Amino acid sequence: EDQVTQSPEALRLQEGESSSLNCSYTVSGLRGLFWYRQDPGKGPEFLFTLYSAGEEKEKERLKATLTKKESFLHITAPKPEDSATYLCAGGRIGSARQLTFGSGTQLTVLP
Amino acid sequence: DVKVTQSSRYLVKRTGEKVFLECVQDMDHENMFWYRQDPGLGLRLIYFSYDVKMKEKGDIPEGYSVSREKKERFSLILESASTNQTSMYLCASSFVGEQYFGPGTRLTVT
Repeated sequence: EDQVTQSPEALRLQEGESSSLNCSYTVSGLRGLFWYRQDPGKGPEFLFTLYSAGEEKEKERLKATLTKKESFLHITAPKPEDSATYLCAGGRIGSARQLTFGSGTQLTVLP
Repeated sequence: DVKVTQSSRYLVKRTGEKVFLECVQDMDHENMFWYRQDPGLGLRLIYFSYDVKMKEKGDIPEGYSVSREKKERFSLILESASTNQTSMYLCASSFVGEQYFGPGTRLTVT
């Protein structure tokens, strides 16, 4: 059974304090690893897709990386507006269901 | 930009009512999905559709049905709403990879 586990569940940072969120996955035949941002009361917003180990993607203060067992979302010098829940999801080759979601990391950046 | 819209942001219904949640996407995506999201339980897949008139059950289909008569529209139906169906309902669409989500419908069943 495919599983995606995110840690920590919650993270509080001071503005400017860089850190990383972890996403461990056991997905047979991983087709892609996806990162989303979700603000309270809204739908998830797509951030990145990573397809193969060693791949990296960046957007503003966020950088996502992928190894054979896990993915990291690095947040450099975060600002309060980066506060949100970050979700990762794994997609399996040949699966019409497409994505298995983790339970998310709730990030709070304090000014 | 991909746009997924949902018919209501907030909805309050009574126990036993039939409830329709509508979702429309404008990207000609083949796949559409309905999830519910509850605190501590994350996103759970209810149903998905990979073509018009085609549907497959997700992890928690009990008490729900779906309809996809047109490619851009995917409806979730609660046949007889119950209080344990109070939740945030999220629709998504995709072509091959990443899914794009709508804003969500917060449904309260009293």
